[in-house]
Formats: sequence, structure tokens, C-alpha cells
Amino acid sequence: AQTVTQSQPEMSVQEAETVTLSCTYDTSESDYYLFWYKQPPSRQMILVIRQEAYKQQNATENRFSVNFQKAAKSFSLKISDSQLGDAAMYFCAYLSGGSNYKLTFGKGTLLTVNP
Amino acid sequence: ETGVTQTPRHLVMGMTNKKSLKCEQHLGHNAMYWYKQSAKKPLELMFVYNFKEQTENNSVPSRFSPECPNSSHLFLHLHTLQPEDSALYLCASSQRTAETQYFGPGTRLLVL
Repeated sequence: AQTVTQSQPEMSVQEAETVTLSCTYDTSESDYYLFWYKQPPSRQMILVIRQEAYKQQNATENRFSVNFQKAAKSFSLKISDSQLGDAAMYFCAYLSGGSNYKLTFGKGTLLTVNP
Repeated sequence: ETGVTQTPRHLVMGMTNKKSLKCEQHLGHNAMYWYKQSAKKPLELMFVYNFKEQTENNSVPSRFSPECPNSSHLFLHLHTLQPEDSALYLCASSQRTAETQYFGPGTRLLVL
């Protein structure tokens, strides 16, 4: 079974600074997808970024980028120029590319942005 | 975000009540999901529907009964719940299974 581990229960960053959230996963599959979702106090689960395992290029979405290290099974999220609105719980998630459609989530990292 | 909507947003019910949660997706997706999010636990997948057919029941107690009348609507019927069922219930949809899932705002359920 796949597992997703987020080793940082909480992180904080100063506004306008950069922060990196860590995620590691365990799988024997070669075809899969990785995601970062954010869940602000409103509890809405919002997709931040997606990475296909077969792509070597790291995904980017504006101020959000990932460092995908397939061999190390590592998938960290970098947030640049942090804004107050980035404060949220961030979840790393794994999705099998095969017939298994179960989205496996990590326990989350609570990010605080200090003004 | 209006792609996936859920009603009600908050629900308080007694253990003998019967209530239903509703989810609607406006994204033209074919797969829909129910998740349970309890405090200090990872999200738990409950049910999966693909083209209106239930393809996953993740060992969910029978007091939770899903219904998917069409690809755009998903219900979760609740009866004889326990206090430990209090949680945030999230609905999600995707174009197909093994595709990116988009979530609704959730229903916060409190069972007294």
C-alpha cells in the first residue's frame, strides 16, 4: 500500500519570504501522480499543483513550485514570496495511475504566515 | 469556487435522526467521491462512483448510504449515526478515476 509522509506538522514563514514543505512517499508503482492541496480555515480543499511521475520537469504554478525527486521518492513544495493568504493546512497526496483511484493523503503541514 | 457544491454546509443531528448530504458538480466529470476528515487524521476515502456505478466502498458502516442518481449528483444518506461520526465530509469529482480530483467546500457534521 502506498503511504505519504509529511514530517513537518507545522511551519512558519515571514511574509514575502520563501518556505519549503516536505513530503515523502512510498510506492512500488512507476505510473502515478502527486499533488499538493491547501485547506484554509474555510476548509475548502484547493488544488495547488500536480506532478506526473513520468515527467522529469518539476511542475510550477506561479509562486508555487515542486522539487520532485523520483528516485528518492520525495516531493517538496516551495512557496515563494509568501502571502498572508497562503496560510493554510497543506496536504501532499498520491494517486495511482493504474486502476486504483484512491487518493492517499499525508497528515498535513500547518503553514503560518507572519506579517 | 463553484465547480463542486455541497449542502448543507453545517449539520447538527441526533443519533436517531435521518439526514442526507448533497453534492453537485458542474465540471462535467464522471467520477465522484465521498471523503471523511476527522480531527488529526488523514482524509479517509469512503465511496467512489464512476459513471454512476459504485466502484469502491472502503469498509464504511451501513449507517452511511451513498446514492448517485447521475454523474452530476451524489448523496450521502445518514441514519443512526454515532458521536464519533462527527467530522467534515468532503465530496470530490474528477473527469475519470486516476485523474485530478476537485473538492467541494465540505459539510461539517456534528452528531449529538
